[in-house]
Formats: sequence, C-alpha cells, structure tokens
Amino acid sequence: GAVVSQHPSRVICKSGTSVKIECRSLDFQATTMFWYRQFPKQSLMLMATSNEGSKATYEQGVEKDKFLINHASLTLSTLTVTSAHPEDSSFYICSARAPLRPTEAFFGQGTRLTVV
Amino acid sequence: KNEVEQSPQNLTAQEGEFITINCSYSVGISALHWLQQHPGGGIVSLFMLSSGKKKHGRLIATINIQEKHSSLHITASHPRDSAVYICAVSPKSGGSNYKLTFGKGTLLTVNP
Repeated sequence: GAVVSQHPSRVICKSGTSVKIECRSLDFQATTMFWYRQFPKQSLMLMATSNEGSKATYEQGVEKDKFLINHASLTLSTLTVTSAHPEDSSFYICSARAPLRPTEAFFGQGTRLTVV
Repeated sequence: KNEVEQSPQNLTAQEGEFITINCSYSVGISALHWLQQHPGGGIVSLFMLSSGKKKHGRLIATINIQEKHSSLHITASHPRDSAVYICAVSPKSGGSNYKLTFGKGTLLTVNP
C-alpha cells in the first residue's frame, strides 16, 4: 500500500524559532498533499492544500506567512512554522493523494510540536 | 458544506464485546473513510468505501448511500482496539483536491 512518512514525530522548540516538518510519499508520486492541525480532543482541521510545483492553497484563517508550505517535488512537501509561539503547539499531520487513486487518503504519522 | 456526525462520542466496552460506531453525513459523497488514531497520534486508514460492505479481520464497515449513513463494527473487541475512530467523507465532485470532511471521532476504550 501507499506509504507516507512524516518527520519529525516530536519536536520541542523555543519561542521565536522556526520548525520544519517533512512529509514524504515513499512509494508513489503525490501531486497533492494536505496539511492538517489537530487540537486536543478535536477533529482534524485542514490548513492548506499543497500542489507540486505551485503555491499552496490555504484555508480561511490560516496565516500564509506563518505556515510556509513548499511542495518542490512529487514526493516531498514541507510545512515550516515560522517564529513559533506557544499557541502554535499542536499536532500536525499530512496526507497525500496518489493520482491513480484520487479518493483514497494516505496519512503520515503526525508531528507533535511543543513551543516553549 | 457536508456535516459529518459520529456517535457515540465515547464508548467503553469489555473485551470480547461487539462494537458499533455510527457516522451520518448530510450531502452526497464519492467515498467514506474510516480512520483509526492511536494515542500517539498517527492515523491509519481502515476502510474506504462507496457502497455496500467491507471486511478486514475483525473489522466490518457498511454504508447506506440512500440513508447517508455508515457503521463501523468491531467483533470480539480487544484492548488493543482502544483508539479514536474517525469518519471522513470525500466530496462527490472532488475537482483536483478531494478535500475530506471529518467527524469529531469516537473514543473507544476496551477494558480487559
């Protein structure tokens, strides 16, 4: 089956620093990747849709300059949380879409970000 | 916008019990997903279905398109089944993105 690898699984950073999270499709080319954020005991909230070779599409209320998304290749998308603050602490998870299986969802393992 | 409702929100069972989790949605869909999220956070896709019934081991998922309703069943439940189960739907016309709409999840705890 299709595998999506997300790294790191956990990260602790200081306020004001930036953190990069990687999402890789290991055995397929992902033309579209999705980035989600999950608050405790809440459902997943879509932050942005990342299309290879073009700018990401952000959901309403998500700051583009704070959450930088890059999808430079067909197997890698990155989410960079810039100038992190404690309120950015959350669980971030990506999913990827395989072109030949467009309605299926393949998820990464998620990243627990703690900003201190 | 599709509304996805799951019930129950929390479910506690004894090992060996038969479990049912329900999901209802409001607008026509192309597919429905059942996902499992363990305490560590990682999400595993259990089923994707657009009609009928699918079975994998002790897990069974059914969908009734006319009633806009799906159920996830777990037979002979085990403590390792303890997790959050999430229902998500793909829109009927996905365009290029097929954004999922998620339910709030059902927290299942299976006691030994």
